[in-house]
Amino acid sequence: NAGVTQTPKFRILKIGQSMTLQCTQDMNHNYMYWYRQDPGMGLKLIYYSVGAGITDKGEVPNGYNVSRSTTEDFPLRLELAAPSQTSVYFCASTIGGRDTYEQYFGPGTRLTVT
Amino acid sequence: KQEVTQIPAALSVPEGENLVLNCSFTDSAIYNLQWFRQDPGKGLTSLLLIQSSQREQTSGRLNASLDKSSGRSTLYIAASQPGDSATYLCAVRDYGQNFVFGPGTRLSVLP
Repeated sequence: NAGVTQTPKFRILKIGQSMTLQCTQDMNHNYMYWYRQDPGMGLKLIYYSVGAGITDKGEVPNGYNVSRSTTEDFPLRLELAAPSQTSVYFCASTIGGRDTYEQYFGPGTRLTVT
Repeated sequence: KQEVTQIPAALSVPEGENLVLNCSFTDSAIYNLQWFRQDPGKGLTSLLLIQSSQREQTSGRLNASLDKSSGRSTLYIAASQPGDSATYLCAVRDYGQNFVFGPGTRLSVLP
């Protein structure tokens, strides 16, 4: 199993550009999450999904959109990038249901908006 | 609103010392608490997960305890090694889908 994979690893965007961060998991997990981590801070939840076709907002959803058309994929879309979106983005998944909800993380995408 | 804090923010110890990292949370209505390790420029690696009904979990030299009523968890690292140097984060999950992370403790173990 590859676990949770994210692409790209690094990206520089100009203000106003758009991009999609890709996240794929091969563990057949129902629940998937997107977080951002700013320097010296903990992670903040952007969006999450409890299964294909179901998404919901986390603590900091403004400026982002998600979709979940398959169990494996959970892309994060940035529209009209702003410098405040400079951060490291992590995708995570858990099996959900009555399990322990242990989270597995991808390696992250480091995004700079200039 | 759940808030998670971690003390200390940074810690430097000589190799071989036993050490304790602290995590506090404001709302005791949690489903579980998870400790992670994060190496510089890397993702998070799960170390231990404690369900709300449990008091502690152990894995090798690591022991994590949970006192839900007081809103505290500790991560005990025995016989620290330079390879333990990393940032350690705790996260609590509430009964919805919200995971709240602490800011982390940056640990340096000096050879």
